[in-house]
Amino acid sequence: DTAVSQTPKYLVTQMGNDKSIKCEQNLGHDTMYWYKQDSKKFLKIMFSYNNKELIINETVPNRFSPKSPDKAHLNLHINSLELGDSAVYFCASSRFSNTEAFFGQGTRLTVV
Amino acid sequence: QQQVKQSPQSLIVQKGGISIINCAYENTAFDYFPWYQQFPGKGPALLIAIRPDVSEKKEGRFTISFNKSAKQFSLHIMDSQPGDSATYFCAASSSQGTYKYIFGTGTRLKVLA
Repeated sequence: DTAVSQTPKYLVTQMGNDKSIKCEQNLGHDTMYWYKQDSKKFLKIMFSYNNKELIINETVPNRFSPKSPDKAHLNLHINSLELGDSAVYFCASSRFSNTEAFFGQGTRLTVV
Repeated sequence: QQQVKQSPQSLIVQKGGISIINCAYENTAFDYFPWYQQFPGKGPALLIAIRPDVSEKKEGRFTISFNKSAKQFSLHIMDSQPGDSATYFCAASSSQGTYKYIFGTGTRLKVLA
């Protein structure tokens, strides 16, 4: 059973399109995150949610909108995709903010 | 103050050698320091972690050394194996409600057979 699962694994789309990435965790964690990994492998926090409430929005363009329908799910919707949005997006979860974070397998987004 | 600085950017080690990766932080509110290992096409996975109340933690071939006064911590991989070839990230987080892990820039390790 995968602890943190994201879909899709690969996403290729044209500029200007809108797309969503879904994330689910079965660990019973209260906190979930979205991270962006760029071409240089740098991992940058985008959003964090605790008990379905947005805690951190790390200066992400408002074209990115996370939604947490319940504590086990955190989805990411991206409007008007741009070339610079191409990256690998990781969902993660943790019990507390200073305990192990479990990452999903990532979604490789390519905007053409 | 939120940065975690990691070095080196890349590292090549012979099989059986010792790999050492260093990290430094500034924010004294950080109280959890994990190391993550990432293989190509996979998500980062926790390798080992330490809290500031101890100066060293060892799990198998992997050891974290922690220097609270210098605000530095390092990962030592003993008897490095080709299967250890991956990208390693140090990170830091705080229990004070910040809800984020700050990652270092990563070290690409290659262990030669």
